[in-house]
Amino acid sequence: GAVVSQHPSRVICKSGTSVKIECRSLDFQATTMFWYRQFPKKSLMLMATSNEGSKATYEQGVEKDKFLINHASLTLSTLTVTSAHPEDSSFYICSAPPPSGGQTQYFGPGTRLLVL
Amino acid sequence: AQSVTQPDIHITVSEGASLELRCNYSYGATPYLFWYVQSPGQGLQLLLKYFSGDTLVQGIKGFEAEFKRSQSSFNLRKPSVHWSDAAEYFCAVGEGSASKIIFGSGTRLSIRP
Repeated sequence: GAVVSQHPSRVICKSGTSVKIECRSLDFQATTMFWYRQFPKKSLMLMATSNEGSKATYEQGVEKDKFLINHASLTLSTLTVTSAHPEDSSFYICSAPPPSGGQTQYFGPGTRLLVL
Repeated sequence: AQSVTQPDIHITVSEGASLELRCNYSYGATPYLFWYVQSPGQGLQLLLKYFSGDTLVQGIKGFEAEFKRSQSSFNLRKPSVHWSDAAEYFCAVGEGSASKIIFGSGTRLSIRP
């Protein structure tokens, strides 16, 4: 079945550095991917919609310059947390709809970011 | 705007007992509704979904959910829970053709031996 992978699964970085998280669709192409953020024991909050070949669409309250999204190919979207700070520590999850479209999403396993 | 409400933050049930997790949604048209489960350290797993048709939806692991338009609800049920069902459960609604999914706040399920 369709699978979405994320890399890395876990990352620890120093405050002020930038971190890139990759989301890949395996065995299928995704013109659209979604990025979510999950705080500990909290729900998933949609951050942005990643669009292949065009700019990402950000949800209200999400800083575009802080969370850079690039959807460079039909199988890869990247989320870069720029100048990370401890409050950016979170669990980041991506998802992609199947090629047939519709509402069902395939979710990646998530990336846990810890900013020291 | 769409929204999803899960009124129960944490529920504890005894193993073998029945379970019902509540979910209410707000959406102008016929919604696409989902239930996902997230076990500790695991990714999200789709339990079931409702798009149209029969309002009683069967899912994996013995779960079912019923769409009730009059109550704007999509409650998740299981007749007999197992210890392995302990996890976080998320109700979600799909937003139109954009495939965007909005999640509820989640209900943590604990199982009493």
